[in-house]
Amino acid sequence: LAKTTQPISMDSYEGQEVNITCSHNNIATNDYITWYQQFPSQGPRFIIQGYKTKVTNEVASLFIPADRKSSTLSLPRVSLSDTAVYYCLVGDRIKAAGNKLTFGGGTRVLVKP
Amino acid sequence: DAGVIQSPRHEVTEMGQEVTLRCKPISGHNSLFWYRQTMMRGLELLIYFNNNVPIDDSGMPEDRFSAKMPNASFSTLKIQPSEPRDSAVYFCASSFETSGRRGTGELFFGEGSRLTVL
Repeated sequence: LAKTTQPISMDSYEGQEVNITCSHNNIATNDYITWYQQFPSQGPRFIIQGYKTKVTNEVASLFIPADRKSSTLSLPRVSLSDTAVYYCLVGDRIKAAGNKLTFGGGTRVLVKP
Repeated sequence: DAGVIQSPRHEVTEMGQEVTLRCKPISGHNSLFWYRQTMMRGLELLIYFNNNVPIDDSGMPEDRFSAKMPNASFSTLKIQPSEPRDSAVYFCASSFETSGRRGTGELFFGEGSRLTVL
């Protein structure tokens, strides 16, 4: 099962771009990379999922290099409301054998005014 | 849709008491997950169900924990007897899993049940 490593915390300012990198050196061929956001006293919320290259939605972009051993979540022009913990999750289909859907420690992002 | 609904939102109990947490998944979803979150251990998957059948319960910490899903719209997580180290936020999540989809897809989480065992 792919283990993920993320920075514990990051500070930023309103209007800046925030990039959070997740390392997953032993990612498997069928694994996808998914990012979640969690606000205090709430459950995690899905942000974006990808397999390779680049994925973009209305909230964020996900960059995945060719070797797929890492991925970077990019949050453009953050606001104070983007202060949250961001989790990187690597895995295959939910029912795939041994898929524990385990979240790592997450990255605590603090956006300052 | 109302989203995943969990109850109670907060529970304070004494060691040795039985605790039952409840979850109503999003209608139409066929997979349900119970997670536990603590500062020390982060988010841990306890058990997940697919089509009301437990698929993997290897994350359940010990025999004091049990989970059931009697139908597609209801699940319970029971702790008996409870201990102070069970204090945590327990999240329920649901998703729609199809055989043809790759990746873990989107899990929809409830707001959690904060359990304090004194």
